[in-house]
Amino acid sequence: LAKTTQPISMDSYEGQEVNITCSHNNIATNDYITWYQQFPSQGPRFIIQGYKTKVTNEVASLFIPADRKSSTLSLPRVSLSDTAVYYCLVGDVRDDKIIFGKGTRLHILP
Amino acid sequence: NAGVTQTPKFRVLKTGQSMTLLCAQDMNHEYMYWYRQDPGMGLRLIHYSVGEGTTAKGEVPDGYNVSRLKKQNFLLGLESAAPSQTSVYFCASSYGRTSHFGNGTRLTVT
Repeated sequence: LAKTTQPISMDSYEGQEVNITCSHNNIATNDYITWYQQFPSQGPRFIIQGYKTKVTNEVASLFIPADRKSSTLSLPRVSLSDTAVYYCLVGDVRDDKIIFGKGTRLHILP
Repeated sequence: NAGVTQTPKFRVLKTGQSMTLLCAQDMNHEYMYWYRQDPGMGLRLIHYSVGEGTTAKGEVPDGYNVSRLKKQNFLLGLESAAPSQTSVYFCASSYGRTSHFGNGTRLTVT
């Protein structure tokens, strides 16, 4: 399982674009990158998953450079309700275990 | 479509008591997981299952047992509760590294 490193916490303001970067230097060929969002008192929620280049959905974009040693979750025009913990996970779809790190605590200010 | 349902939502135990947490999913997923989350921390994997009748240890299995007698259900048992097991417990089921989580069970052991 590839080890991931992401900032412990970030602050931003409403209306801003927020980028959270995750480092995964030992990512393997078959590994995918998956991001989850967790609000207080709730279970994590799947946001986005990608393998390379760029993936976009209605919630976020995921940018993955050619060497795949890092990835960036981009949240456009955040609001107060985007305050949450964001987890970056890296692993093969055939892996049995899904291990979470400590995540990035994002605090959106008015 | 309920997704992942955990029961109970809250429980208070005295040290030494036993209890079982129930997780039920209606998505026909093979993989199911139990995590615990302590205040300000990420999720830690307790046990997991890759299919009916199978279970395996995660990162922090001591003091817990699990069973997967039916594909849709994954039970987490505490035989002799300890204050260190005070936590929020999350169950998840997954397909292709996309996990769906329940809303958690808040357990307090006094």
